[in-house]
Amino acid sequence: QSALTQPASVSGSPGQSIAISCTGTRSDVGGYNYVSWYQQLPGKAPKLLIYEVTSRPSGVSDRFSGSKSGNTASLTISGLQAEDDGDYYCSSFTSARTIVFGPGTKVTVL
Amino acid sequence: EVQLVESGGGLVQPGGSLTLSCAASGFTFSDWSMNWARQAPGRGLEWISYIRGGSDVIYYADSVRGRFTISRDNAKNSLYLQMDSLRDEDTALYYCTRSIEYGLGPSWGRGIFVTVSS
Repeated sequence: QSALTQPASVSGSPGQSIAISCTGTRSDVGGYNYVSWYQQLPGKAPKLLIYEVTSRPSGVSDRFSGSKSGNTASLTISGLQAEDDGDYYCSSFTSARTIVFGPGTKVTVL
Repeated sequence: EVQLVESGGGLVQPGGSLTLSCAASGFTFSDWSMNWARQAPGRGLEWISYIRGGSDVIYYADSVRGRFTISRDNAKNSLYLQMDSLRDEDTALYYCTRSIEYGLGPSWGRGIFVTVSS
């Protein structure tokens, strides 16, 4: 069982914006600015989209943005595109000096 | 071009041992912290272990602490995962990743399968 919670699924139409939440506790999401987000397309290795809550690695589209409020972090995908269809995971560093993942959210582009 | 290539996976019996290797290229390996992560068939991602560039800081997930050992050889640009006392639930696709501020990435290997079964 994941220490972080995410919605099982989120959907949207092309061009819309969607947000995926990632809720933890003060021992992980709320206590550290080490929240990351990943995209995993079918049959592929995961791809880092966001690290340190809001930072994007080089080459990641600015349609992906991250934020955090209290114990909940969020990933927003703007201008939804068909190629965004896939699974999205959050992770956080924890007070136990571990890294925990959320269970994943399936994004469907309608 | 950054490349991470895992090797050493395969079929092993419960209670057995296996060592995974990850060959890194295209970046200054010693400058980067590294991780191992895994994904069981049809399941989500699970972080396993983290090692800093100088091997001075190492972390493990509770599920593998005491059974798995992470290490690296910066002279060989290689990361390792020694896995002992393997269990059925360790069956998964194992990934080697770079680490940026405790985020797994920006580079991931293609993964290597480990199957624990009698």
